[in-house]
Amino acid sequence: GESVGLHLPTLSVQEGDNSIINCAYSNSASDYFIWYKQESGKGPQFIIDIRSNMDKRQGQRVTVLLNKTVKHLSLQIAATQPGDSAVYFCAERDYGNNRLAFGKGNQVVVIP
Amino acid sequence: DTGVSQDPRHKITKRGQNVTFRCDPISEHNRLYWYRQTLGQGPEFLTYFQNEAQLEKSRLLSDRFSAERPKGSFSTLEIQRTEQGDSAMYLCASSTGPLERQPEQFFGPGTRLTVL
Repeated sequence: GESVGLHLPTLSVQEGDNSIINCAYSNSASDYFIWYKQESGKGPQFIIDIRSNMDKRQGQRVTVLLNKTVKHLSLQIAATQPGDSAVYFCAERDYGNNRLAFGKGNQVVVIP
Repeated sequence: DTGVSQDPRHKITKRGQNVTFRCDPISEHNRLYWYRQTLGQGPEFLTYFQNEAQLEKSRLLSDRFSAERPKGSFSTLEIQRTEQGDSAMYLCASSTGPLERQPEQFFGPGTRLTVL
């Protein structure tokens, strides 16, 4: 079936540097995408979302970029902090479908 | 803390036993979801309720799994005759608002099941 996946399993980043996490998706019917952060022992936490009619959206220290041509999604974290250490998932939903399809997690480790 | 609570947080059981998990969504959230997550993987959708009606079930939800939301508030997920392959984190999420506005799903902390 169609799926969402991540390119890199682990990213180590120095505190204060920027982080970029990538995600490829294959369901062309998806029109809504979300990045989640999951810390150890906790459920996924919403970070930022983007609809398919946009190619960029910014939040506080985070930016999501969507390239529908190549079905690619990325999350940029500015000035990475120790509290950003977690597993990050991208997820997609196609129009009218309530379920979220998650990709494989990408571990971010922030080095103080 | 998102406001979604799950109980128990951890459950260890022997193969063949039945287990039941509970989820309390955010008050007045009409939609409730169950997901299963194995180590290193993203959550996989299991089932979804709108109020008390179970509207969608994944093919992952075998006949050993049953979920209920009798009063449209809390929900239970029961697994009968557990197998080692059922070991996973079971996550609950809730949401509210018009679907066309893509309402956020708020996740609980999960119940970690270990089947020995």
